[in-house]
Amino acid sequence: NAGVTQTPKFRILKIGQSMTLQCTQDMNHNYMYWYRQDPGMGLKLIYYSVGAGITDKGEVPNGYNVSRSTTEDFPLRLELAAPSQTSVYFCASSFSTRVGFETQYFGPGTRLLVL
Amino acid sequence: GQQLNQSPQSMFIQEGEDVSMNCTSSSIFNTWLWYKQDPGEGPVLLIALYKAGELTSNGRLTAQFGITRKDSFLNISASIPSDVGIYFCAGQLGYGNKLVFGAGTILRVKS
Repeated sequence: NAGVTQTPKFRILKIGQSMTLQCTQDMNHNYMYWYRQDPGMGLKLIYYSVGAGITDKGEVPNGYNVSRSTTEDFPLRLELAAPSQTSVYFCASSFSTRVGFETQYFGPGTRLLVL
Repeated sequence: GQQLNQSPQSMFIQEGEDVSMNCTSSSIFNTWLWYKQDPGEGPVLLIALYKAGELTSNGRLTAQFGITRKDSFLNISASIPSDVGIYFCAGQLGYGNKLVFGAGTILRVKS
């Protein structure tokens, strides 16, 4: 049982390049999330999805896009990389219902440097 | 947006000492959570609190949900070297809702 996996672990991009951060979970969780973590700033929610075909913006969605064609995968797309997107990106998943809180399981993160 | 103020920002303590950290918010939360992040890894849930005034333990860790629902505390007793890491508080408004994270407390333990 791999849990939440993310690829790549580390990437350097030039300004204006694009890339996709991959996230896969094998726990059959309905909810998936993308966060970014900047030094000393905690985690901020970029986008989330409550199920296949459904996505919604979080706190800091500008410059990113997501899709959720399957339950397992939730890729994050950067179209025109900017230095402000240098960060560590975490994907998470949970089995959430309307009546309780379920643990969010985090992947190991992708460290992105935009130069 | 909502913000959580977490303090202290960092701590450097002697092995065996007790540790306290806290989180405050200007908004009320229905759930308070405490996560730990080891270097190079994602956060892992330590304790979840669901009710105002609730006190919950997980081994040497004890956390409390403040009675005003605007704060939470985490205590670690008799610290050991593997307690090193970043501790995050997080608040959730309602069921299925998104989490708001604090900036984290960096804990270093001197053996």
